[in-house]
Amino acid sequence: DQQVKQNSPSLSVQEGRISILNCDYTNSMFDYFLWYKKYPAEGPTFLISISSIKDKNEDGRFTVFLNKSAKHLSLHIVPSQPGDSAVYFCAASDRGSTLGRLYFGRGTQLTVWP
Amino acid sequence: KAGVTQTPRYLIKTRGQQVTLSCSPISGHRSVSWYQQTPGQGLQFLFEYFSETQRNKGNFPGRFSGRQFSNSRSEMNVSTLELGDSALYLCASSVRSGSYTEAFFGQGTRLTVV
Repeated sequence: DQQVKQNSPSLSVQEGRISILNCDYTNSMFDYFLWYKKYPAEGPTFLISISSIKDKNEDGRFTVFLNKSAKHLSLHIVPSQPGDSAVYFCAASDRGSTLGRLYFGRGTQLTVWP
Repeated sequence: KAGVTQTPRYLIKTRGQQVTLSCSPISGHRSVSWYQQTPGQGLQFLFEYFSETQRNKGNFPGRFSGRQFSNSRSEMNVSTLELGDSALYLCASSVRSGSYTEAFFGQGTRLTVV
């Protein structure tokens, strides 16, 4: 049962343009959401997060938007750079669960071309 | 501050054998979680340890087990290996930040079962 869904397995964007990665979730107990970036043969690295009491969080070129009523969040990268090419995972934390239990989507492969 | 360290990075085993993977969390982090990543799948939660106790477990067979030591280092063991166990095994070290979780991943152990 996939409680966090990333329905686009891949996304291709030109350098300088905006990249928008989407994520949907089904569990209303999720109260914190995280985005991770992963290069091949490396572990995921934390990118940005948002709590359920907010609808937007920005960090440099990265902005995450949360629409609780739609159970949807998105990661915007502006402007996109070739070095952003990686797999992006959306993850959620359940306030009823334990500290280290995160629920992950299947990831979206972002390719930024020159 | 050192990050999460996983050893070994790569491992090749034969069906039926057993394997032990190691994870050293970030200093001061007491929660260690293990995830399995296979192609096309997100990160599947295996289990979480906190202060030497298993606090949460995912939907994996009993062949997958783990433990945590008093210094928070954790080991994961897989017995009677099957071809389908070939995957990237990731360890996450977590800490509470305010009301939420911060989770940091190691580089993973790539297990190949032949």
